[in-house]
Amino acid sequence: ETGVTQTPRHLVMGMTNKKSLKCEQHLGHNAMYWYKQSAKKPLELMFVYSLEERVENNSVPSRFSPECPNSSHLFLHLHTLQPEDSALYLCASSQDILGSYNEQFFGPGTRLTVL
Amino acid sequence: AQTVTQSQPEMSVQEAETVTLSCTYDTSESDYYLFWYKQPPSRQMILVIRQEAYKQQNATENRFSVNFQKAAKSFSLKISDSQLGDAAMYFCAYRPYNNDMRFGAGTRLTVKP
Repeated sequence: ETGVTQTPRHLVMGMTNKKSLKCEQHLGHNAMYWYKQSAKKPLELMFVYSLEERVENNSVPSRFSPECPNSSHLFLHLHTLQPEDSALYLCASSQDILGSYNEQFFGPGTRLTVL
Repeated sequence: AQTVTQSQPEMSVQEAETVTLSCTYDTSESDYYLFWYKQPPSRQMILVIRQEAYKQQNATENRFSVNFQKAAKSFSLKISDSQLGDAAMYFCAYRPYNNDMRFGAGTRLTVKP
């Protein structure tokens, strides 16, 4: 595997379910990100991790709970979601969070549907 | 607020023709980076081209080039000799030196054969 991978690619869940999204990066990067992508809206940055420490939480509801056990893996735990949470969830990584270009490399995303 | 605006939700171009996608941004910073990302229908977003604000020369990557107008806070993407594989969502992004990346809402490009 190369780059950034995400599983599952598609997820349908009820409002009372608990599920997790997984992201893995094979690039040796120090920073990882979760974004929410909704139609016709800019990408919304949800969480930022640098060297396994959360450095940013952009007012995300507590029903989204991130976890970064090491610099290569990032999870997004979901519980009691709302239908408006249906979206494409993108994971990205970059060498660092500050400094030079630090372009982000994206995974393919998880298409989440909340019924 | 630092925002990125892509004023064209949809664009179309004939194969082999040239198309320009617009992007403007709002910032009070002097040092920052600009990016264009492409998201094909398969959804994996990839970097197309990038530009450092302090560089006056416009970046070029093969058929892709930018027109960076710092004073106007404009960063347009020109695609020359358009190919069917260029059909995708294109996102403009802005990143200050010590802050997070901000994305525009995207432009959906259709390439007609």
